[in-house]
Amino acid sequence: GQNIDQPTEMTATEGAIVQINCTYQTSGFNGLFWYQQHAGEAPTFLSYNVLDGLEEKGRFSSFLSRSKGYSYLLLKELQMKDSASYLCAVMDSNYQLIWGAGTKLIIKP
Amino acid sequence: GAVVSQHPSRVICKSGTSVKIECRSLDFQATTMFWYRQFPKQSLMLMATSNEGSKATYEQGVEKDKFLINHASLTLSTLTVTSAHPEDSSFYICSARDLEGGVRETQYFGPGTRLLVL
Repeated sequence: GQNIDQPTEMTATEGAIVQINCTYQTSGFNGLFWYQQHAGEAPTFLSYNVLDGLEEKGRFSSFLSRSKGYSYLLLKELQMKDSASYLCAVMDSNYQLIWGAGTKLIIKP
Repeated sequence: GAVVSQHPSRVICKSGTSVKIECRSLDFQATTMFWYRQFPKQSLMLMATSNEGSKATYEQGVEKDKFLINHASLTLSTLTVTSAHPEDSSFYICSARDLEGGVRETQYFGPGTRLLVL
């Protein structure tokens, strides 16, 4: 079956760095997405990786290793507003999104 | 874990026809379901919030007469795109809210329905 795994919850300190991991097993691969979702709001797009390597976008970076079925989202210089759920989703060979359950990130001062 | 399914996964239709998309929560009851629309590499845009047994709440700019939502049971919500036009072509994603024991609220997303209107 198809499966996306990511930690349920993580806690980090303001100003620090946190890495949220995502492993996947899907039928085919057409890219991996990271979304940020604040409570009560729609998910906002953070990144899209389809080739191996690191994509950097400001304080956020996303890494992909297709051979390992692995991705991570790296958040630097954490701010209180980064407290949110982070969703990993993989687009399979049928261009369907397979969603992880999300990682709730708690930032402490 | 909880699973949300959507049917069909993809649909191609002619301009002017209506298309119905189903969203089901497979192993939990969802009093609230959400319908989103997504364009490539963009954020999900919330279209409407669907509550079981009552009228859906539409976001500003979403035509309620064009995007008909019916949440007839605790496990099924449907979105009907009426008189579809090419500009309605998009990726439609639903999600269902699960109140786990009334303590922890989790939102589960469906795999999406790709609509292409010719």
